[in-house]
Amino acid sequence: DVKVTQSSRYLVKRTGEKVFLECVQDMDHENMFWYRQDPGLGLRLIYFSYDVKMKEKGDIPEGYSVSREKKERFSLILESASTNQTSMYLCASSFGQGNGYTFGSGTRLTVV
Amino acid sequence: QKEVEQDPGPLSVPEGAIVSLNCTYSNSAFQYFMWYRQYSRKGPELLMYTYSSGNKEDGRFTAQVDKSSKYISLFIRDSQPSDSATYLCAMRPSTTSGTYKYIFGTGTRLKVLA
Repeated sequence: DVKVTQSSRYLVKRTGEKVFLECVQDMDHENMFWYRQDPGLGLRLIYFSYDVKMKEKGDIPEGYSVSREKKERFSLILESASTNQTSMYLCASSFGQGNGYTFGSGTRLTVV
Repeated sequence: QKEVEQDPGPLSVPEGAIVSLNCTYSNSAFQYFMWYRQYSRKGPELLMYTYSSGNKEDGRFTAQVDKSSKYISLFIRDSQPSDSATYLCAMRPSTTSGTYKYIFGTGTRLKVLA
């Protein structure tokens, strides 16, 4: 089975901290995505990447950046964490066109 | 107006009932349609996938796409308490641009009562 692994299940960070969320997939997928999920708002796309060193902004990129130095790893960076970034963060990967995503288990981030 | 609309529920049904979950959409270019199931505190998992119109069946699950009405459905037969989860629809147009991102509904919470 394809596996998408997110490094932390739960994180608590302070306002203003730089936060790194790591995601690794083990099936050579070229496409990787970062979403945040909030009650009533569903999944919102933050950034995505369809190749190494490539990145594109999603619907809500403000306050975030990403890094994809290797095909299997896609990192989400909160440059200066704020309380409104408290959320569930989901990483996903896929291959080719028209194929579904495989999601990680998510990281529940609380910014205090 | 959101591109994809989904009733948030919760939808409560007795065990054994047939469940109908639905999404409507506004973009007539959508070609790929998917349903995901998400258990509490877990990531979504892919349940069903259809391309363009028609039906697809997999065990107790049937996915239907009606492109003329811009409406998709997921039916669950003989529902079980283990089906209690949030169900997300997702869809996107066919594209050659190299970006394969899906638009998700907000999810419908389903509770199957034993």
